[in-house]
Amino acid sequence: GENVEQHPSTLSVQEGDSAVIKCTYSDSASNYFPWYKQELGKRPQLIIDIRSNVGEKKDQRIAVTLNKTAKHFSLHITETQPEDSAVYFCAASRAGGGSNYKLTFGKGTLLTVNP
Amino acid sequence: NAGVMQNPRHLVRRRGQEARLRCSPMKGHSHVYWYRQLPEEGLKFMVYLQKENIIDESGMPKERFSAEFPKEGPSILRIQQVVRGDSAAYFCASSPSRGQGFNTEAFFGQGTRLTVV
Repeated sequence: GENVEQHPSTLSVQEGDSAVIKCTYSDSASNYFPWYKQELGKRPQLIIDIRSNVGEKKDQRIAVTLNKTAKHFSLHITETQPEDSAVYFCAASRAGGGSNYKLTFGKGTLLTVNP
Repeated sequence: NAGVMQNPRHLVRRRGQEARLRCSPMKGHSHVYWYRQLPEEGLKFMVYLQKENIIDESGMPKERFSAEFPKEGPSILRIQQVVRGDSAAYFCASSPSRGQGFNTEAFFGQGTRLTVV
């Protein structure tokens, strides 16, 4: 089955700096890669996702890149703010043709943005 | 649109009791997924259901755990004879029906935090 590795497990940055979180996956058939943000005691919320037919996607201060050959994808947050502090999870899944859409998650990165 | 609704939010059970966790998907969604999150861990897939069908239960423990998604009413995750190791947050997610093509976003509920004492 799919295996997703996520690094680092903790990341501390100063407000205004950039943060980068990296994930690798093992199943070359995976074609959908979402990123979730989870604040303490709350639900995971999708912040950005990327499909295997594109290499990069950007949404304001957040961007995701995908390297299918190397089987890794990364989350980039620029101009970090204290409210970006949370646990971030990457995930991977196969999709299409009515097959199952289960997500395989990384173990998470605790991001702390210091004012 | 009320979003994915899970109840209860918190559930305390003594060892040996049964736990029943409920999930109502978003309106118009017919796919439901259950995930378990142990303290300071990522989410682990348990089971994927459509109305009246279990599509993939590869993440479900072989014993004591079962799930259903009846034609009417919420999806239920049932844990019999709970043990301390079952203490975790259980999240339900839903997504719309898809015939072909890529995933759409899976929307998560607020989760049920099960504590076994």
